[in-house]
This record gives sequence, C-alpha cells and structure tokens, in this order.
Amino acid sequence: ILNVEQSPQSLHVQEGDSTNFTCSFPSSNFYALHWYRWETAKSPEALFVMTLNGDEKKKGRISATLNTKEGYSYLYIKGSQPEDSATYLCAPHNAGNNRKLIWGLGTSLAVNP
Amino acid sequence: DTAVSQTPKYLVTQMGNDKSIKCEQNLGHDTMYWYKQDSKKFLKIMFSYNNKELIINETVPNRFSPKSPDKAHLNLHINSLELGDSAVYFCASSQDRRLEQYFGPGTRLTVT
Repeated sequence: ILNVEQSPQSLHVQEGDSTNFTCSFPSSNFYALHWYRWETAKSPEALFVMTLNGDEKKKGRISATLNTKEGYSYLYIKGSQPEDSATYLCAPHNAGNNRKLIWGLGTSLAVNP
Repeated sequence: DTAVSQTPKYLVTQMGNDKSIKCEQNLGHDTMYWYKQDSKKFLKIMFSYNNKELIINETVPNRFSPKSPDKAHLNLHINSLELGDSAVYFCASSQDRRLEQYFGPGTRLTVT
C-alpha cells in the first residue's frame, strides 16, 4: 500500500505571493505521478502527469518537478491569484497494484486578494 | 459537449432502496472509473473498467455493482442503500491508466 503525504495540509497566501507544496510517496516501483487541481463544488482537473526522474512540467504560472529516486514532487505557483484557490492533489501509481492512483489528501490553498 | 457526464447530479433516497448512477464519456477513452468522496473529501477508488473489462475492484460492499454496457458507459448500481452510502460519487475516464483522468461533475447521494 502506498503512503502519499502532502504538505502543508493548508496554506493561506496573499495575492502575488509565490508558493509551493510537497508530495511524498514511496519510490519503489514508481510508474507515474499525477497532479490535480480541485476547486470547491467542482470536479478534480488534471494539471500534470509526470513519469521520468527529473521531469519538470509547466502550465502558465504553475510548474511541477519530480524526483522518483527519493520519492517526492513539488508543485510551484508563481504570483498566486485568487482564482488559484483550490485543493491540489497528488496521486502516484506504481507498476503493481493494478496501476491505480493512490490519492493524497491534498493541500488546500486560499489566496487572499 | 460535456466530456464526462453523470446522471443524476443529486439523488435523495431512503434506506433500503436500490438506485443507479449513470456515467457516459464522449472522449473515446478506454478506461473508466468510479470514485467515492468521503466526508474528509478524500477520493477512494471503487472500480475501474478497461474496454468493458473490470480491472480494479476495491473492497466495497457487494451491494455496489458496476456495469459497463460499452466502453463509453460505466453505470453504478447500489442495492439496499444504507446511511453510510451518503457521499459524492465521481465518474472519471482516461485514455490509458497511465494518463490523466477526466472527471464527471459528481453525483451527490443522500440516504435518509
């Protein structure tokens, strides 16, 4: 069973601040790591799928890095805006276990205007 | 144009009833999923089908039965509903198990 830990659990920042979150996961049998953004009263929306050690992906002001050897991924948001307020979930899956995603509890971000 | 749709969006029913939630995706994806969002907003996988074949079947009560008539549809039937079944149920699909999942809007089930 994979243990996925995300930190911090919640975060409040001011508009314009840059911020980052961490996702930690067991590195054995790594297959892929997903990041999702989940706004209140909506559905999770995929941000990135990362597979290779050292991968770095970017979408607008949001970027993510991956270290599969040590089992962590960082998500960065540059110049946070109120519309970035959401819960950010990471979900790794490994080569066994039917390759199902194991979801973290997420980091809840609130950006104050 | 909705990629993944679920019906109904809200479902209020009494204990002991049987109900179904339908899910359809028009993305041409091969894999579909059912998740349950618990009270802590945690997503728990329930089932996954790949090309109409069951590939993930987590430890859920056998009152829950998925049915996939074709790869664009994955319905969830729940027998003898209990209070603890109250939750939001999300359907999702992906082209491949490795790729990003697209979620439906969710069905909020309330059992009274």
